[in-house]
Amino acid sequence: NAGVMQNPRHLVRRRGQEARLRCSPVKGHSHVYWYRQLPEEGLKFMVYLQKENIIDESGMPKERFSAEFPKEGPSILRIQQVVRGDSAAYFCASSQGRGQPQHFGDGTRLSIL
Amino acid sequence: EDQVTQSPEALRLQEGESSSLNCSYTVSGLRGLFWYRQDPGKGPEFLFTLYSAGEEKEKERLKATLTKKESFLHITAPKPEDSATYLCAVQAEDSNYQLIWGAGTKLIIKP
Repeated sequence: NAGVMQNPRHLVRRRGQEARLRCSPVKGHSHVYWYRQLPEEGLKFMVYLQKENIIDESGMPKERFSAEFPKEGPSILRIQQVVRGDSAAYFCASSQGRGQPQHFGDGTRLSIL
Repeated sequence: EDQVTQSPEALRLQEGESSSLNCSYTVSGLRGLFWYRQDPGKGPEFLFTLYSAGEEKEKERLKATLTKKESFLHITAPKPEDSATYLCAVQAEDSNYQLIWGAGTKLIIKP
């Protein structure tokens, strides 16, 4: 009974490199959400995807960030040309449908050197 | 602007000492209010969903209630394993099912 799986759990990148964060939702869930969390701060919505479609990307910076949820395989959050300010914990959640409770993975902690 | 405020920021209790956490919200129309628990280094764990004023949900030592302006998470006779950060999130009717999160209440239960 696997929950949301995120990998890697920890990712270290140098400034200017690319970061790829992967998320496999709960089996049977077709809705995926990405959030960012800074220490001592609340979760900030980034993007909401359904299989092969971006539903809402209003919380995601227009430059350097992109997300996808292909028909087959995990959802990917991609950050190009990372900067120090991208250091944070990135959480993925999935739900069975719109308005249903979201279930979270344990996050990817991204550190930028 | 839609907003969620949780209080207190931190709460220290003795084991067995009951208390309540507050989540105040301002949204144009509430679709749902969600409570989560988050342990250090982990993702939020879903606890409850409340949809309408007057609704209550219970799970072990936790009970969540909802009014038109706020929700309370009551914790009865807590144990040290209840120590965690408790997060509240709301979904507004005019949102694209996006959750708006409070900053959380850090609960510490001392044995």
